[in-house]
Amino acid sequence: QQPVQSPQAVILREGEDAVINCSSSKALYSVHWYRQKHGEAPVFLMILLKGGEQKGHDKISASFNEKKQQSSLYLTASQLSYSGTYFCVTERAGGFKTIFGAGTRLFVKA
Amino acid sequence: DSGVTQTPKHLITATGQRVTLRCSPRSGDLSVYWYQQSLDQGLQFLIHYYNGEERAKGNILERFSAQQFPDLHSELNLSSLELGDSALYFCASSVGAGGRGSYNEQFFGPGTRLTVL
Repeated sequence: QQPVQSPQAVILREGEDAVINCSSSKALYSVHWYRQKHGEAPVFLMILLKGGEQKGHDKISASFNEKKQQSSLYLTASQLSYSGTYFCVTERAGGFKTIFGAGTRLFVKA
Repeated sequence: DSGVTQTPKHLITATGQRVTLRCSPRSGDLSVYWYQQSLDQGLQFLIHYYNGEERAKGNILERFSAQQFPDLHSELNLSSLELGDSALYFCASSVGAGGRGSYNEQFFGPGTRLTVL
């Protein structure tokens, strides 16, 4: 029951905005977002909890629609440093493990 | 630097062999997670330990096993290695036990790159 991410890849020019979506067929307790740059370890961006607040990270924010079991990651005024693969990670209600999505590759060019 | 250490950084071995990967969590973290990432692939969750006890199991092969010791470091043992086991193995740690929305952010180590020839 891996969460589904879309799009699979996106190319942006510096300063443009992007939205990455993550959806699950199962009820979720939380959604996490991570970014992994090529050759490096994933780095935590934020957690969105069921019934909890939306949290932001610099110019990156996210939302969690509990009814639809969907989360969206918003990257505004993208910077070259935003390039990498973004993973959503879901925690299912009643479960005890987190599941990574397949990832969305983001490339920001000057 | 996340504070999570993994050794060795690189490991090259032959099919059929057995290896042990080691992970030391951040100071104060009680949870350790293991992930496998094959070339240009996502992260496959293998197993989660909390304070020495197995908390959750993912798609971990029977040839693989792990444990978390009283000092909270963890080891992942891979045996009867196959070519397809070549991958980057990440360890991550977090403060809490997880579950019911209590999952904390995970801090990832630099990974161990395993090459099976």
